[in-house]
Amino acid sequence: RKEVEQDPGPFNVPEGATVAFNCTYSNSASQSFFWYRQDCRKEPKLLMSVYSSGNEDGRFTAQLNRASQYISLLIRDSKLSDSATYLCVVNHPGGGNKLTFGTGTQLKVEL
Amino acid sequence: NAGVTQTPKFQVLKTGQSMTLQCAQDMNHEYMSWYRQDPGMGLRLIHYSVGAGITDQGEVPNGYNVSRSTTEDFPLRLLSAAPSQTSVYFCASSYGLVTGANVLTFGAGSRLTVL
Repeated sequence: RKEVEQDPGPFNVPEGATVAFNCTYSNSASQSFFWYRQDCRKEPKLLMSVYSSGNEDGRFTAQLNRASQYISLLIRDSKLSDSATYLCVVNHPGGGNKLTFGTGTQLKVEL
Repeated sequence: NAGVTQTPKFQVLKTGQSMTLQCAQDMNHEYMSWYRQDPGMGLRLIHYSVGAGITDQGEVPNGYNVSRSTTEDFPLRLLSAAPSQTSVYFCASSYGLVTGANVLTFGAGSRLTVL
């Protein structure tokens, strides 16, 4: 099993739609969880950290489910500018606590 | 603040040539790392450093060398370029590796083509 797995998509959604991505991780001892956004041919940028209690930032909500070992990202009222690849990132406690990246989920928001 | 600065942005090499990708950060980050990104593979860790004078191998270190003589700089050296090293390279840094300090800031990337 891969350390971090994501559905590559693409998810094609109309503007204004709600879309959700999941990401599963293999190491039950992981403590740090992030969602990064990557625009085409650009560097990844932090979208949000994911906390145990869940957290929200405007139209974006992140959740952590430790029992099932997945994190989720919900985007409400999708905008054209949300089109990007969303990367799930998890730390690897047994490997020097380094961060492992998923391959990303591509989102395309259409008119 | 400039953040993480990578040079060059683009480079074309011939097989067997060597080169150095430069990375500098001005955020006083202790942790620095190099990733490569290939289609369908995601970001893979090449080498990393937890402080000046300390480096270690990541997931795909073969064919690459690093050094960390200062807190600010973390160059990546390709010893003898191969077509398999054609990729986009990202340098990233953070305050550390513990939870709460491990948010990575990335450079803009260096696109390398090896012919």
